[in-house]
Amino acid sequence: NAGVTQTPKFQVLKTGQSMTLQCAQDMNHEYMSWYRQDPGMGLRLIHYSVGAGITDQGEVPNGYNVSRSTTEDFPLRLLSAAPSQTSVYFCASSYEEGMVGTEAFFGQGTRLTVV
Amino acid sequence: LAKTTQPISMDSYEGQEVNITCSHNNIATNDYITWYQQFPSQGPRFIIQGYKTKVTNEVASLFIPADRKSSTLSLPRVSLSDTAVYYCLADPYNQGGKLIFGQGTELSVKP
Repeated sequence: NAGVTQTPKFQVLKTGQSMTLQCAQDMNHEYMSWYRQDPGMGLRLIHYSVGAGITDQGEVPNGYNVSRSTTEDFPLRLLSAAPSQTSVYFCASSYEEGMVGTEAFFGQGTRLTVV
Repeated sequence: LAKTTQPISMDSYEGQEVNITCSHNNIATNDYITWYQQFPSQGPRFIIQGYKTKVTNEVASLFIPADRKSSTLSLPRVSLSDTAVYYCLADPYNQGGKLIFGQGTELSVKP
């Protein structure tokens, strides 16, 4: 199993450009989510999904769109990139089994710079 | 806002036991306490999770007292490779993997 795969690993964008960060998981997990991590900070939740066709906003959703057409894929779209979106982006997938909390599996991250 | 509070940083030496305490005065009854480890330039990695009392796995132990207002992650005999940021999360059951991270504890292990 590859786990959670994010592409690209690095990206430089100009202000105003749009792009899509890709995230795919091969563990058949119900839940997927996107986080951003700024230098010296913890992760902040952008958007999450509890299943195909269902998405919801997290802590910092502005400027980002998501969709979940399949269980495996959860792309994150930057509509019009701004320097404030320079960050490292992590995708995660997780599941619940019985009355326990989740164990999330994270991708290796996409380092995005907006100039 | 994160429901948990941790020390910003800790120092230790190789071979010592490290205990990182997390405060969570107002967690809900369906919250599990979960710890993640993050190395530089990598995504977080699940370490351990518990609800009450003590849980132990091959990596760490987690102690949560009966009042659940705090918890302690214990790393036995740390090595240099345990240098990382450790996050304590209150992870609610049945919330779709919606994890809220705080700032974490930066652990530095010295030789």
